[in-house]
Amino acid sequence: NAGVTQTPKFQVLKTGQSMTLQCAQDMNHEYMSWYRQDPGMGLRLIHYSVGAGITDQGEVPNGYNVSRSTTEDFPLRLLSAAPSQTSVYFCASSYGGKTQYFGPGTRLLVL
Amino acid sequence: AQSVSQHNHHVILSEAASLELGCNYSYGGTVNLFWYVQYPGQHLQLLLKYFSGDPLVKGIKGFEAEFIKSKFSFNLRKPSVQWSDTAEYFCAAHNTDKLIFGTGTRLQVFP
Repeated sequence: NAGVTQTPKFQVLKTGQSMTLQCAQDMNHEYMSWYRQDPGMGLRLIHYSVGAGITDQGEVPNGYNVSRSTTEDFPLRLLSAAPSQTSVYFCASSYGGKTQYFGPGTRLLVL
Repeated sequence: AQSVSQHNHHVILSEAASLELGCNYSYGGTVNLFWYVQYPGQHLQLLLKYFSGDPLVKGIKGFEAEFIKSKFSFNLRKPSVQWSDTAEYFCAAHNTDKLIFGTGTRLQVFP
């Protein structure tokens, strides 16, 4: 199993550009989530999904959209990137939403 | 709002010293608790978890944690740290579909 995969590994955007961070898992986990990691602030939950077709907001959802059309994929969309969204983004999946398995992360720089 | 607090932001130890990292959570009711570790340049890995039962849980690499319900605490301990334990440590609590992280503790171990 590949586990949780994320693409791209690194991305540079200009303010106002849009992009989609991809996340996929091959463990048939129904629960998936997105976090951002910033120095001194730990990991903050952006959005999560308890199953295909179901998504909900986390602690810091503003500026991000998600959808969950399949069990395997959970993309995170930035519609209009802002410098405040410069961060490292981690996707995670789990069975039951408890013990989560993390992907390798996407480092995003917004200029 | 539910939250997780880690009061030690940066800990510096010599090899063979004992380690205790504090974690407090603010939840009512049932809560599942976790410690994750992030080695430099890597993604998060699960160290240990507590769901129920024996409040003293043992994890990988000689780490253990004690759940004290009356103190809303889940402190991480290791009797003798090694240089390879240099990493960032995150406490997390799961309640009602959300896994919320503390801000993390950076541990540096010097030979």
